[in-house]
Amino acid sequence: DTGVSQNPRHKITKRGQNVTFRCDPISEHNRLYWYRQTLGQGPEFLTYFQNEAQLEKSRLLSDRFSAERPKGSFSTLEIQRTEQGDSAMYLCASRPPRGEQFFGPGTRLTVL
Amino acid sequence: AQKITQTQPGMFVQEKEAVTLDCTYDTSDPSYGLFWYKQPSSGEMIFLIYQGSYDQQNATEGRYSLNFQKARKSANLVISASQLGDSAMYFCAMRELGSSNTGKLIFGQGTTLQVKP
Repeated sequence: DTGVSQNPRHKITKRGQNVTFRCDPISEHNRLYWYRQTLGQGPEFLTYFQNEAQLEKSRLLSDRFSAERPKGSFSTLEIQRTEQGDSAMYLCASRPPRGEQFFGPGTRLTVL
Repeated sequence: AQKITQTQPGMFVQEKEAVTLDCTYDTSDPSYGLFWYKQPSSGEMIFLIYQGSYDQQNATEGRYSLNFQKARKSANLVISASQLGDSAMYFCAMRELGSSNTGKLIFGQGTTLQVKP
């Protein structure tokens, strides 16, 4: 399967714990996006990488959130000191320099 | 500011009939792209169709067509010959195409489509 993959698919954690999600984009895609989707809503943009450079961050990305893309390949999104309001689906997407975004299956986070 | 509005929270359609899902948008950028994605209960966003702001003709992809009315700022999705597998959430999205833009997508709230047998 050469699509975008995300791990884990589901994560249940207790409030206050740290969590980290991973996204593996399609190999030739240099652009990578993270979105957050709460129940019944459309996805909201969180951050964007072009190769290894993080070029845009949404104001939704509080200080507790950090994203990296070392070497311009896979990306990680870490949430520190999780809160119940962080419960959502976290979607990763990648795209080539010219073309559409392809989404991964998402990581569903539940904070108890 | 960019905005996408989908005013239909839920829609029903009889199998084999056509259905139109509404989408209106707002942007000050003259160059933009409009997208429709399908999200089944499994959660993955599936790209359906794209319309560029300068495209003269409405986009079509198989049973999907996009009714683009630029003056009205609307980009409705038409699904012909509905199938049971079309039951899903549908999202309209926009991307500004200027060189300084990152290509992020702005999504609407979505419309849940249920196809009745």
